[in-house]
Amino acid sequence: NAGVTQTPKFRILKIGQSMTLQCTQDMNHNYMYWYRQDPGMGLKLIYYSVGAGITDKGEVPNGYNVSRSTTEDFPLRLELAAPSQTSVYFCASTRSGSLYNEQFFGPGTRLTVL
Amino acid sequence: GENVEQHPSTLSVQEGDSAVIKCTYSDSASNYFPWYKQELGKGPQLIIDIRSNVGEKKDQRIAVTLNKTAKHFSLHITETQPEDSAVYFCAASSGNTPLVFGKGTRLSVIA
Repeated sequence: NAGVTQTPKFRILKIGQSMTLQCTQDMNHNYMYWYRQDPGMGLKLIYYSVGAGITDKGEVPNGYNVSRSTTEDFPLRLELAAPSQTSVYFCASTRSGSLYNEQFFGPGTRLTVL
Repeated sequence: GENVEQHPSTLSVQEGDSAVIKCTYSDSASNYFPWYKQELGKGPQLIIDIRSNVGEKKDQRIAVTLNKTAKHFSLHITETQPEDSAVYFCAASSGNTPLVFGKGTRLSVIA
């Protein structure tokens, strides 16, 4: 199993550009999450999904959109990128049944908005 | 909502010494407290967790303690080794809501 994979690893965007961060998991997990990690600020939840077709906002959803059309994929869309969105983005997944279960994280995408 | 405070933000210890990282939480409904380790350039990885029906849990050199009355929990690493150097995150959840993470502690083990 590859676990949780994220693409791209690095990206530089200009202000106002758009992009999609890709996340795929091959563990048949129903729960998936998107976090951003700013230096010294820990992990902030952007959006999460408890199954295909179901998404919910986290703590910092503004400026982002998500979709969940399949169990495996959970892409994060940035529209009109802003410097405040410069961060490292992590996708994670958990097997279904409970939010108590271990979260498996991808390797992250480092995004810079200039 | 839940708020998790983590201290210290950085910690340096000599190899072989113990390290302790402390977290406090605000929501008395929280009952699940995991700890994640993040090595440089990687995503966080679960190292140990505890639920509110126990006060302490050990796994080899790491242990976690929980004081529900005071709303704090701690990670203890004994006999530290250079490979323990990483950023450690605590988190809390009620099980019905997603995890809320602390801001992290950068642990450096000096050989």
